[in-house]
Amino acid sequence: IAGITQAPTSQILAAGRRMTLRCTQDMRHNAMYWYRQDLGLGLRLIHYSNTAGTTGKGEVPDGYSVSRANTDDFPLTLASAVPSQTSVYFCASSGLAGEGNEQFFGPGTRLTVL
Amino acid sequence: GQNIDQPTEMTATEGAIVQINCTYQTSGFNGLFWYQQHAGEAPTFLSYNVLDGLEEKGRFSSFLSRSKGYSYLLLKELQMKDSASYLCAVTGSNYQLIWGAGTKLIIKP
Repeated sequence: IAGITQAPTSQILAAGRRMTLRCTQDMRHNAMYWYRQDLGLGLRLIHYSNTAGTTGKGEVPDGYSVSRANTDDFPLTLASAVPSQTSVYFCASSGLAGEGNEQFFGPGTRLTVL
Repeated sequence: GQNIDQPTEMTATEGAIVQINCTYQTSGFNGLFWYQQHAGEAPTFLSYNVLDGLEEKGRFSSFLSRSKGYSYLLLKELQMKDSASYLCAVTGSNYQLIWGAGTKLIIKP
């Protein structure tokens, strides 16, 4: 693994189904983030984790949950998908938040909820 | 409220210079980032400003005025590969990034 990876690359999902998007980084970064990106809108923060064992809510957390059991992994779960969750999802990681550390992004997951 | 404004789209000619502006109103300020995002790809880091002034990095420079809530990204000697979206992001009081919608830059030969 080099950097930050996400899986799957893309997914088509029926409304009401449960889905987990996976994110793994090998840079030993403390902080990790989940964003969604929709046309015409900026990246919007869903959830974040400043360090393993802690998580926080971002701007648009409803309908999503996360966990951070270890440093490397930060999965995002949609408990019951709805069409408005159709989006491109990016996972990112960085050194300690608030110290000017750049965020490194995974390649993204394109999710379509029908 | 918190707001970051950038032009939606700009067009420039190969070899020329272009300036992409970003204005922000946020509760707290702990630095401003510029990222580049090619279509269908992830954002990648370009620059970071936390103090007023100009930061130069090769063909790209970024300027910050905290008192005016204003930044710009200057791209010189434009190349076709510079066609991309440029994202402005501010670190707010909770140390999370607040993102602008991005400026799509189109380079013409």
